[in-house]
Amino acid sequence: EDKVVQSPLSLVVHEGDTVTLNCSYEVTNFRSLLWYKQEKKAPTFLFMLTSSGIEKKSGRLSSILDKKELFSILNITATQTGDSAVYLCAVRDSGAGSYQLTFGKGTKLSVIP
Amino acid sequence: EAGVTQFPSHSVIEKGQTVTLRCDPISGHDNLYWYRRVMGKEIKFLLHFVKESKQDESGMPNNRFLAERTGGTYSTLKVQPAELEDSGVYFCASSQDIYGYTFGSGTRLTVV
Repeated sequence: EDKVVQSPLSLVVHEGDTVTLNCSYEVTNFRSLLWYKQEKKAPTFLFMLTSSGIEKKSGRLSSILDKKELFSILNITATQTGDSAVYLCAVRDSGAGSYQLTFGKGTKLSVIP
Repeated sequence: EAGVTQFPSHSVIEKGQTVTLRCDPISGHDNLYWYRRVMGKEIKFLLHFVKESKQDESGMPNNRFLAERTGGTYSTLKVQPAELEDSGVYFCASSQDIYGYTFGSGTRLTVV
């Protein structure tokens, strides 16, 4: 059974800090890893990673995948209060259930002024 | 483009009652998914429709849960009879292909 473990579960930082969120996974036939941001309601898509070592970047957010060590990190630089959210990591395998996503529990990030 | 819409946003029912959740996907999205998050746990897959057909229902917890997608448009998820452990947030998502998942805001179900 596919498994995703995120750490830490919760994090409180001050505005301007840089944070690194971790996601490790076990999946039978890896296809992709996805990061989502969930503020109050719907999870919104951030990144999809399929290849090791290639950084995806969007503004102050970036993410990278290590398929050998089976983990990904999500970095947020110069954090703002608007970054406060639950960050979800999910994996998709390439087997029969390839449309399914397997999620971790999420990291709750709180950015205080 | 309108997003994925779920109704109601919150439902409180008594144990043994029936509840029906509705999801309206993004227009033109053939794929529709239901997921559930029970408190303290991960978001878990329930099932996947392609148009009106159930492609994968491996995550449905038991036969008290019935999902339908008549006509390949909106979908309903019925829980009958509801049990306390069914409480959680039920998310719907839709996609045109395997990559572009869009989630709805979820229905928070509380069974008392």
